[in-house]
Amino acid sequence: GEDVEQSLFLSVREGDSSVINCTYTDSSSTYLYWYKQEPGAGLQLLTYIFSNMDMKQDQRLTVLLNKKDKHLSLRIADTQTGDSAIYFCASELGTPLVFGKGTRLSVIA
Amino acid sequence: DAMVIQNPRYQVTQFGKPVTLSCSQTLNHNVMYWYQQKSSQAPKLLFHYYDKDFNNEADTPDNFQSRRPNTSFCFLDIRSPGLGDAAMYLCATSRADRGNSPLHFGNGTRLTVT
Repeated sequence: GEDVEQSLFLSVREGDSSVINCTYTDSSSTYLYWYKQEPGAGLQLLTYIFSNMDMKQDQRLTVLLNKKDKHLSLRIADTQTGDSAIYFCASELGTPLVFGKGTRLSVIA
Repeated sequence: DAMVIQNPRYQVTQFGKPVTLSCSQTLNHNVMYWYQQKSSQAPKLLFHYYDKDFNNEADTPDNFQSRRPNTSFCFLDIRSPGLGDAAMYLCATSRADRGNSPLHFGNGTRLTVT
């Protein structure tokens, strides 16, 4: 079955860019998603990319997809303390989505 | 404006005392999910309903049951909670269409077992 991997921790300084990486194993994935989870809350859909796209930009967020390497990244420009959270990558092959273990982003003021 | 609503936000139950968590949605999505999330871990899918069809994950304990009386509501019943069942329980919904069917999550119910 599909396997989605992420690094567990990332620490950046306020104002710098953050890059969170994700790899997946099944090239049949149609859509790939990024979710954000703040402490004590559910998962909030941040953005997504269709598998035939290479890049998608949405304000401070840029998603890059390298389909050949099955690598997905989320870049957050001008990272703020409010961006501190756990970020989950998810792959859609059907129902249900397959989630990675999440990357905890810490922003240092 | 809330679209997936979970009640209560915090639930305390005693060891072995049955507890029910509830979820409602205003999105008219036909798929509803229950996830269990323990500290610093990814959400773990317990089961999901595709319309009225119930789909249980192979490793979901028998202690966990679910009911979906209609499109809008779904319940998670824990028949005899153990200390290991203390966790955040997340409800989510999605459309059944293939392709671009992200999950929409509620804010979760944090269950404490004493």
